Amino acid sequence: AQKITQTQPGMFVQEKEAVTLDCTYDTSDQSYGLFWYKQPSSGEMIFLIYQGSYDEQNATEGRYSLNFQKARKSANLVISASQLGDSAMYFCAVGNYGGSQGNLIFGKGTKLSVKP
Amino acid sequence: EPEVTQTPSHQVTQMGQEVILRCVPISNHLYFYWYRQILGQKVEFLVSFYNNEISEKSEIFDDQFSVERPDGSNFTLKIRSTKLEDSAMYFCASTRHVGTGWFGPGTRLTVT
Repeated sequence: AQKITQTQPGMFVQEKEAVTLDCTYDTSDQSYGLFWYKQPSSGEMIFLIYQGSYDEQNATEGRYSLNFQKARKSANLVISASQLGDSAMYFCAVGNYGGSQGNLIFGKGTKLSVKP
Repeated sequence: EPEVTQTPSHQVTQMGQEVILRCVPISNHLYFYWYRQILGQKVEFLVSFYNNEISEKSEIFDDQFSVERPDGSNFTLKIRSTKLEDSAMYFCASTRHVGTGWFGPGTRLTVT
């Protein structure tokens, strides 16, 4: 069974500073993907970034980067130059690409608050 | 930019009633999913659908639930006899390839 652990229920960061949101995962699959989603107070799920298990380079998307350490089974999200609009819940998820066609297992999330 | 759409945005129903939640996935996507999120909790996988059949379902997806792709565009989730604990946000998602996971805006279901 797959599992995602996000140990930080809440985080505070000063505007314009960088912040790292932790995520560790457990999966027995050889081929899998790691995802981060942002959920603002309005409720929608916004896809941020993806890392495949065989990707050798860490994924980056604008101000978001994924610090992927496969041996440690961690996939931390780094947000550089935080903005007030980054205040939201952040969910890490793992999906395998074997028979299950990529359904995602989510962690409990981290609530990020950006202070002006 | 193409997006997943869901209707209605909010549905209120009485316990025991049937509800149908509707989704229009992105047109060239092949894999479709339903997830739910009880208020304040994590997002949970319900069911995945590929090639006009269920490919995987979670233990939450019991006989009260069913999914259908009645035409080439819509993807529906039916709850036959709603319970209070079915109150949640229901998200539809679709993907074409691995590595993407586009979610719809969600339908908030309130069972009274």
